Amino acid sequence: AQSVAQPEDQVNVAEGNPLTVKCTYSVSGNPYLFWYVQYPNRGLQFLLKYITGDNLVKGSYGFEAEFNKSQTSFHLKKPSALVSDSALYFCAVRDGGDNKFYFGSGTKLNVKP
Amino acid sequence: GAGVSQSPSNKVTEKGKDVELRCDPISGHTALYWYRQSLGQGLEFLIYFQGNSAPDKSGLPSDRFSAERTGGSVSTLTIQRTQQEDSAVYLCASRSAGGSGELFFGEGSRLTVL
Repeated sequence: AQSVAQPEDQVNVAEGNPLTVKCTYSVSGNPYLFWYVQYPNRGLQFLLKYITGDNLVKGSYGFEAEFNKSQTSFHLKKPSALVSDSALYFCAVRDGGDNKFYFGSGTKLNVKP
Repeated sequence: GAGVSQSPSNKVTEKGKDVELRCDPISGHTALYWYRQSLGQGLEFLIYFQGNSAPDKSGLPSDRFSAERTGGSVSTLTIQRTQQEDSAVYLCASRSAGGSGELFFGEGSRLTVL
Protein backbone atom coordinates (compact mmCIF):
# COMPACT_ATOMS: atom_id res chain seq x y z
CA ALA A 1 0.00 0.00 0.00
CA GLN A 2 1.09 3.53 -0.71
CA SER A 3 1.82 5.77 2.25
CA VAL A 4 3.71 8.83 3.37
CA ALA A 5 5.19 9.55 6.80
CA GLN A 6 6.12 12.92 8.17
CA PRO A 7 7.66 12.01 11.52
CA GLU A 8 7.71 15.52 12.96
CA ASP A 9 4.49 17.30 13.85
CA GLN A 10 6.43 20.52 14.32
CA VAL A 11 9.83 21.91 13.40
CA ASN A 12 11.25 25.02 15.05
CA VAL A 13 14.12 26.94 13.51
CA ALA A 14 15.62 30.39 13.89
CA GLU A 15 15.48 32.80 11.00
CA GLY A 16 18.58 32.55 8.87
CA ASN A 17 19.32 28.97 9.87
CA PRO A 18 18.90 26.02 7.51
CA LEU A 19 15.71 24.02 7.78
CA THR A 20 14.78 20.42 7.02
CA VAL A 21 11.31 18.91 7.00
CA LYS A 22 11.40 15.12 6.80
CA CYS A 23 9.36 12.81 4.61
CA THR A 24 9.55 9.09 3.94
CA TYR A 25 7.32 7.15 1.60
CA SER A 26 6.24 3.69 0.57
CA VAL A 27 5.02 2.80 -2.91
CA SER A 28 4.93 -0.38 -4.91
CA GLY A 29 5.96 1.23 -8.18
CA ASN A 30 7.94 4.28 -9.26
CA PRO A 31 7.28 7.20 -6.92
CA TYR A 32 6.22 10.65 -7.95
CA LEU A 33 6.94 12.89 -4.96
CA PHE A 34 5.58 16.31 -4.14
CA TRP A 35 5.80 19.01 -1.49
CA TYR A 36 3.01 21.47 -0.75
CA VAL A 37 2.71 24.40 1.65
CA GLN A 38 -0.46 25.56 3.36
CA TYR A 39 -0.84 28.98 4.95
CA PRO A 40 -3.65 29.55 7.49
CA ASN A 41 -7.13 29.38 6.00
CA ARG A 42 -5.75 28.77 2.52
CA GLY A 43 -5.54 25.84 0.11
CA LEU A 44 -2.37 23.92 -0.59
CA GLN A 45 0.26 25.49 -2.82
CA PHE A 46 2.65 23.39 -4.88
CA LEU A 47 6.35 23.81 -4.03
CA LEU A 48 8.24 21.18 -6.01
CA LYS A 49 8.16 17.64 -7.33
CA TYR A 50 10.43 14.76 -8.18
CA ILE A 51 9.52 12.55 -11.10
CA THR A 52 12.78 11.31 -12.52
CA GLY A 53 16.31 12.50 -13.18
CA ASP A 54 18.45 14.55 -10.83
CA ASN A 55 17.88 13.59 -7.20
CA LEU A 56 18.08 17.22 -6.06
CA VAL A 57 15.00 19.17 -7.03
CA LYS A 58 14.68 22.93 -6.72
CA GLY A 59 11.34 24.63 -6.29
CA SER A 60 9.54 27.78 -5.31
CA TYR A 61 10.67 30.27 -2.65
CA GLY A 62 14.19 28.84 -2.44
CA PHE A 63 13.09 25.39 -1.29
CA GLU A 64 14.72 22.20 -2.51
CA ALA A 65 14.30 18.50 -1.82
CA GLU A 66 16.50 15.49 -2.23
CA PHE A 67 15.18 12.16 -3.42
CA ASN A 68 16.94 9.22 -1.77
CA LYS A 69 15.79 5.94 -3.22
CA SER A 70 17.67 3.68 -0.80
CA GLN A 71 16.22 5.47 2.22
CA THR A 72 12.84 6.08 0.54
CA SER A 73 13.02 9.68 1.65
CA PHE A 74 12.24 13.05 0.14
CA HIS A 75 13.25 15.66 2.72
CA LEU A 76 12.45 19.33 2.13
CA LYS A 77 15.28 21.78 2.74
CA LYS A 78 16.09 25.46 2.61
CA PRO A 79 19.53 26.94 3.30
CA SER A 80 18.27 30.02 5.14
CA ALA A 81 14.82 30.14 6.74
CA LEU A 82 12.56 33.19 6.71
CA VAL A 83 9.84 34.06 9.21
CA SER A 84 7.45 34.08 6.27
CA ASP A 85 8.21 30.37 5.69
CA SER A 86 6.18 29.56 8.81
CA ALA A 87 3.34 27.36 7.58
CA LEU A 88 2.10 23.78 7.35
CA TYR A 89 4.02 21.57 4.94
CA PHE A 90 2.71 18.42 3.32
CA CYS A 91 4.60 15.70 1.52
CA ALA A 92 2.69 13.62 -1.04
CA VAL A 93 3.41 10.56 -3.13
CA ARG A 94 1.78 9.12 -6.17
CA ASP A 95 2.56 5.71 -7.56
CA GLY A 96 3.35 6.18 -11.23
CA GLY A 97 0.83 3.51 -12.12
CA ASP A 98 -1.93 5.01 -10.01
CA ASN A 99 -3.85 8.28 -9.99
CA LYS A 100 -4.27 8.78 -6.27
CA PHE A 101 -2.10 11.16 -4.30
CA TYR A 102 -1.29 10.10 -0.74
CA PHE A 103 -0.51 12.87 1.72
CA GLY A 104 1.45 12.89 4.93
CA SER A 105 -0.05 14.26 8.12
CA GLY A 106 1.75 17.56 7.73
CA THR A 107 4.57 19.31 9.58
CA LYS A 108 4.14 22.73 11.10
CA LEU A 109 7.21 24.86 10.52
CA ASN A 110 7.84 27.68 12.96
CA VAL A 111 10.56 30.15 12.03
CA LYS A 112 11.40 32.54 14.85
CA PRO A 113 13.02 35.94 14.37
CA GLY B 1 -10.67 30.77 -14.51
CA ALA B 2 -7.05 31.01 -13.56
CA GLY B 3 -7.29 28.65 -10.61
CA VAL B 4 -9.53 26.12 -8.91
CA SER B 5 -12.58 27.85 -7.52
CA GLN B 6 -14.62 26.52 -4.61
CA SER B 7 -17.88 27.73 -3.12
CA PRO B 8 -19.06 28.47 -0.57
CA SER B 9 -15.89 29.36 1.29
CA ASN B 10 -17.73 28.93 4.57
CA LYS B 11 -20.88 27.03 5.39
CA VAL B 12 -22.57 26.70 8.76
CA THR B 13 -25.43 24.25 8.93
CA GLU B 14 -27.51 22.42 11.45
CA LYS B 15 -27.14 18.73 12.11
CA GLY B 16 -29.37 16.72 9.80
CA LYS B 17 -29.40 19.23 6.95
CA ASP B 18 -28.01 18.51 3.49
CA VAL B 19 -25.17 20.60 2.05
CA GLU B 20 -23.69 21.01 -1.41
CA LEU B 21 -20.13 22.11 -2.06
CA ARG B 22 -19.06 23.22 -5.50
CA CYS B 23 -15.73 23.00 -7.31
CA ASP B 24 -14.85 24.62 -10.63
CA PRO B 25 -11.50 23.18 -11.81
CA ILE B 26 -8.86 24.79 -13.97
CA SER B 27 -10.01 24.90 -17.57
CA GLY B 28 -8.78 21.88 -19.49
CA HIS B 29 -7.99 19.80 -16.42
CA THR B 30 -9.68 16.45 -16.81
CA ALA B 31 -8.79 15.02 -13.39
CA LEU B 32 -10.60 16.29 -10.30
CA TYR B 33 -10.14 15.25 -6.69
CA TRP B 34 -11.95 15.91 -3.42
CA TYR B 35 -10.12 15.75 -0.09
CA ARG B 36 -11.23 16.39 3.48
CA GLN B 37 -9.02 18.10 6.05
CA SER B 38 -10.18 17.92 9.64
CA LEU B 39 -8.76 20.32 12.23
CA GLY B 40 -5.09 19.58 12.77
CA GLN B 41 -5.19 16.57 10.50
CA GLY B 42 -3.77 15.65 7.15
CA LEU B 43 -5.69 15.24 3.93
CA GLU B 44 -8.17 12.42 3.59
CA PHE B 45 -8.92 11.30 0.01
CA LEU B 46 -12.63 11.22 -0.79
CA ILE B 47 -13.22 10.79 -4.52
CA TYR B 48 -11.47 11.12 -7.89
CA PHE B 49 -12.87 11.85 -11.35
CA GLN B 50 -10.98 11.32 -14.59
CA GLY B 51 -12.65 12.33 -17.82
CA ASN B 52 -15.65 10.17 -18.62
CA SER B 53 -14.43 7.20 -16.60
CA ALA B 54 -16.31 5.93 -13.58
CA PRO B 55 -15.15 7.87 -10.51
CA ASP B 56 -13.02 6.30 -7.80
CA LYS B 57 -15.29 6.60 -4.77
CA SER B 58 -13.17 4.48 -2.47
CA GLY B 59 -12.54 7.30 0.01
CA LEU B 60 -16.12 8.36 0.67
CA PRO B 61 -16.68 7.76 4.40
CA SER B 62 -20.37 6.81 4.22
CA ASP B 63 -23.33 6.64 1.88
CA ARG B 64 -24.32 10.12 3.06
CA PHE B 65 -21.53 11.43 0.86
CA SER B 66 -21.84 11.62 -2.91
CA ALA B 67 -20.30 13.61 -5.72
CA GLU B 68 -20.92 14.23 -9.35
CA ARG B 69 -19.16 15.98 -12.15
CA THR B 70 -21.23 17.47 -14.90
CA GLY B 71 -19.90 17.90 -18.42
CA GLY B 72 -16.43 16.93 -17.33
CA SER B 73 -15.96 20.22 -15.54
CA VAL B 74 -17.77 21.47 -12.43
CA SER B 75 -18.15 19.05 -9.54
CA THR B 76 -20.54 19.05 -6.62
CA LEU B 77 -19.93 17.20 -3.35
CA THR B 78 -23.16 16.52 -1.47
CA ILE B 79 -23.38 15.55 2.16
CA GLN B 80 -26.80 14.38 3.29
CA ARG B 81 -28.07 14.45 6.87
CA THR B 82 -24.93 16.17 8.09
CA GLN B 83 -23.36 15.13 11.38
CA GLN B 84 -21.04 17.09 13.64
CA GLU B 85 -18.12 14.86 12.65
CA ASP B 86 -18.55 16.09 9.07
CA SER B 87 -17.18 19.47 10.17
CA ALA B 88 -13.96 20.00 8.22
CA VAL B 89 -12.42 21.84 5.32
CA TYR B 90 -13.27 20.22 2.01
CA LEU B 91 -10.56 20.74 -0.59
CA CYS B 92 -10.91 20.30 -4.31
CA ALA B 93 -7.95 19.85 -6.64
CA SER B 94 -7.49 19.36 -10.35
CA ARG B 95 -4.69 18.39 -12.70
CA SER B 96 -4.14 17.76 -16.36
CA ALA B 97 -4.59 14.20 -17.57
CA GLY B 98 -1.75 11.74 -17.72
CA GLY B 99 1.90 12.35 -17.09
CA SER B 100 3.35 13.54 -13.85
CA GLY B 101 1.34 16.68 -13.22
CA GLU B 102 0.89 18.06 -9.77
CA LEU B 103 -2.42 18.87 -8.15
CA PHE B 104 -3.72 22.42 -8.08
CA PHE B 105 -5.88 23.12 -5.05
CA GLY B 106 -8.74 25.47 -4.41
CA GLU B 107 -9.01 27.52 -1.22
CA GLY B 108 -11.40 25.02 0.31
CA SER B 109 -14.91 25.08 1.75
CA ARG B 110 -15.05 25.17 5.53
CA LEU B 111 -18.08 23.27 6.79
CA THR B 112 -19.31 23.65 10.34
CA VAL B 113 -22.14 21.44 11.53
CA LEU B 114 -23.82 22.66 14.71
